[in-house]
Amino acid sequence: NAGVTQTPKFQVLKTGQSMTLQCAQDMNHEYMSWYRQDPGMGLRLIHYSVGAGITDQGEVPNGYNVSRSTTEDFPLRLLSAAPSQTSVYFCASSRGRGAHLTSTDTQYFGPGTRLTVL
Amino acid sequence: AQTVTQSQPEMSVQEAETVTLSCTYDTSENNYYLFWYKQPPSRQMILVIRQEAYKQQNATENRFSVNFQKAAKSFSLKISDSQLGDTAMYFCAFSPMNYGGSQGNLIFGKGTKLSVKP
Repeated sequence: NAGVTQTPKFQVLKTGQSMTLQCAQDMNHEYMSWYRQDPGMGLRLIHYSVGAGITDQGEVPNGYNVSRSTTEDFPLRLLSAAPSQTSVYFCASSRGRGAHLTSTDTQYFGPGTRLTVL
Repeated sequence: AQTVTQSQPEMSVQEAETVTLSCTYDTSENNYYLFWYKQPPSRQMILVIRQEAYKQQNATENRFSVNFQKAAKSFSLKISDSQLGDTAMYFCAFSPMNYGGSQGNLIFGKGTKLSVKP
């Protein structure tokens, strides 16, 4: 299994440009999520999905869109990039809404995407 | 709202010694999970240890153990026989175990940067 993959690893955008961060997992996980990591802030939840066709907002959703058309993929779209969106973005997945009821399950994180908006 | 606080932005320890990282949290939930994640310079998020709130026994994983004090809402991480490879940012995280939409979402502290010195 490749686990959770993210592309690209690095990206530089100009203010106002749009782009999509890709996230895919091959573990048949129902639950997927996007976090952003800023210096001194830890990780903050942007959007999450509990299954194909179902998404919801996290703590910091403004400026981002998501969709979940398949179990495997959960892309994050920046509609009009702003310098405040300069961050490292992590995608994560875990098994089902009852994931935490299983003693051995956990969230698996992708390697991250470093985004700079000029 | 749940919050996670890590009061030690940076710590250092000599190789082979023991170090304890602190974490406190605030929640009105009775059932939840607590985690410690390690983030080395590669930025990959690696699960170190997890604790179910309904379990009184403290979790252990090889050199890593926790001191979970539910009444005090405290969840510290002890690293024994510290190794150079333990140098990383460590994040404490909380996840509710309810059946609502927020189940599975992680709430992170701001992190503690640990340096292990030879």
